[in-house]
Amino acid sequence: AQTVTQSQPEMSVQEAETVTLSCTYDTSESDYYLFWYKQPPSRQMILVIRQEAYKQQNATENRFSVNFQKAAKSFSLKISDSQLGDAAMYFCARGGTGTYKYIFGTGTRLKVLA
Amino acid sequence: AAGVIQSPRHLIKEKRETATLKCYPIPRHDTVYWYQQGPGQDPQFLISFYEKMQSDKGSIPDRFSAQQFSDYHSELNMSSLELGDSALYFCASSSASGSTDTQYFGPGTRLTVL
Repeated sequence: AQTVTQSQPEMSVQEAETVTLSCTYDTSESDYYLFWYKQPPSRQMILVIRQEAYKQQNATENRFSVNFQKAAKSFSLKISDSQLGDAAMYFCARGGTGTYKYIFGTGTRLKVLA
Repeated sequence: AAGVIQSPRHLIKEKRETATLKCYPIPRHDTVYWYQQGPGQDPQFLISFYEKMQSDKGSIPDRFSAQQFSDYHSELNMSSLELGDSALYFCASSSASGSTDTQYFGPGTRLTVL
């Protein structure tokens, strides 16, 4: 079975500090995409960052960056200079080419402490 | 920029009733996905459509059906509703011919079955 695993149900970080959320996945395909989505209390799914598996360079989006280790099938999210608005549930997801569905991890709830 | 539209945003039904959820994808997106997110759970893929044809099927109960219309909007029909169908239902859209394979999520329809 192709799975996505987030082993940290909950994480806390002090405001302005850095936190890393972990994600591992299993796939037999060579071409795929990885995503991090943020789900605040409104429950809207907001795309944070995405990574193409064929790219070795780690994706970055402002304060958000990933550490993509393809051989280890690991895809962690680093949030720098954490802000109170970053508090949310974060889901790691694996997608594919064309019309491939997403497979989500179970999520990590991030708390930001003032 | 235009986003995915879902209606209604909230729906309350009694057991054994029927419900219809609607999704309007981002303009020029040809693929629609439906996901179900139960309380405290990650989104689970239900079904997807590409160019009005079913492209993939997940854990969708036989009581549910869906289709994509000529204008690319999609409807999820749910019959004989059960208490366990109470969940947030997301629609997402993407462009199969695009380069990112990124799915963009609507705000969700919150279904409560009493």
